[in-house]
Parts: sequence; structure tokens; C-alpha cells
Amino acid sequence: DAGVIQSPRHEVTEMGQEVTLRCKPISGHNSLFWYRQTMMRGLELLIYFNNNVPIDDSGMPEDRFSAKMPNASFSTLKIQPSEPRDSAVYFCASSLVVTEGVTEAFFGQGTRLTVV
Amino acid sequence: GIQVEQSPPDLILQEGANSTLRCNFSDSVNNLQWFHQNPWGQLINLFYIPSGTKQNGRLSATTVATERYSLLYISSSQTTDSGVYFCAVLAGNNRLAFGKGNQVVVIP
Repeated sequence: DAGVIQSPRHEVTEMGQEVTLRCKPISGHNSLFWYRQTMMRGLELLIYFNNNVPIDDSGMPEDRFSAKMPNASFSTLKIQPSEPRDSAVYFCASSLVVTEGVTEAFFGQGTRLTVV
Repeated sequence: GIQVEQSPPDLILQEGANSTLRCNFSDSVNNLQWFHQNPWGQLINLFYIPSGTKQNGRLSATTVATERYSLLYISSSQTTDSGVYFCAVLAGNNRLAFGKGNQVVVIP
């Protein structure tokens, strides 16, 4: 398996523009996570999907952020409008939730977003 | 929510030295993982270790779930071991909560 695939790897955009980050989880995994990493706040969970359904979006900073998972192999994180304080590295991760618990989570290579 | 504390926050090692990184967590957990974030920012899985001891080459990890801590051992450190080591625990709601990391620099 190619692992978790994120695109783009780098994104530079102007304040006010819409930004869309993409993620393809590992085939067979049923849970998907979006994380954001900054120097100030470290790694923080934004939203968690299980079987394509958003389970916990309490980490989404505000209404400018939205995430979708239309099918088991694709998810997007959208920021509209973007602001300079959204600059960070955004990671997508996937794992398998089974009756006994949760298996190992794997992370994509991240998208480094810079909003100028 | 669950608290994850890692120590020491920063560590400088001479190449060839051994070290121990510690992760304390505030509540019972169902899962614990160690990651290495390399200088390019990639998060590399090291161990999936909810309990017990595992070894992978020069790295090993031990989790004592009943006492709510985990240890990561680096033996014979190399410059490629530099980076940030993260401990992440799975709380009851299936989310991974991360510590702030151990910044490790190995100097030749």
C-alpha cells in the first residue's frame, strides 16, 4: 500500500482565497483524521471521521473550516476564506477501528500551507 | 481531556550515546504510539505499543499501562536519529492525543 496520500505538499495562497487540501487514506481503513501542526499549539486534532461520517469536529477552529469525506477513499479539508493565522502543516491520518479497539494510525506527509 | 507529558523536552546527544525518552499520560488508554518526526516534517511510525516491550533495531519501547507511562530507548544514537519524538495516546473517543514531543539533536 502507498500509505496515506496528501496533496498538495505545499500551498501558498493569498489571504481571502479558498484552500482545499486532499487526502486519500490507506485502503481498508475506516477512520480518518485531520490534524494541524503549529509551533505554538503542536499537533491538534481538527476532525475525525469513522465510516465516512464526521464523529468529532470539536477541533475545527471556526466556520471557515469545513471537511468532507464523500467516500472511503477520499477526504477534503477546506478553508474559506483563508487567513495568515491558518498557516501550518496539515496532516491526514487513517486507522482501522474494530470491535476490540483501534489499530495503528498512519500519517500522510502533510501539506504545508502558507497564507500571505 | 487526557493529558500527555513528555520529558525531557530537549536533548542533545553525542553520536553513539544512549538515551531514554519518557511519556506520562493522565488516564487509562487503549493505544499508545511513538512517532519520529524527521527534519523534513514527516511523521514516521516507530511503535504501536499499548503495553509491554517491543524492539526494532536500536530502538525499543516499553509501556506500563497500569502506571500510565511509556519509555522510548535509543541506543548507539546516530545523526539520523535527530528530530522530534512524539508520544500519542488513544483516549476513549478514538482520537489520538499527542504530547509536545522530545526534540533530539545528535551531534557527530
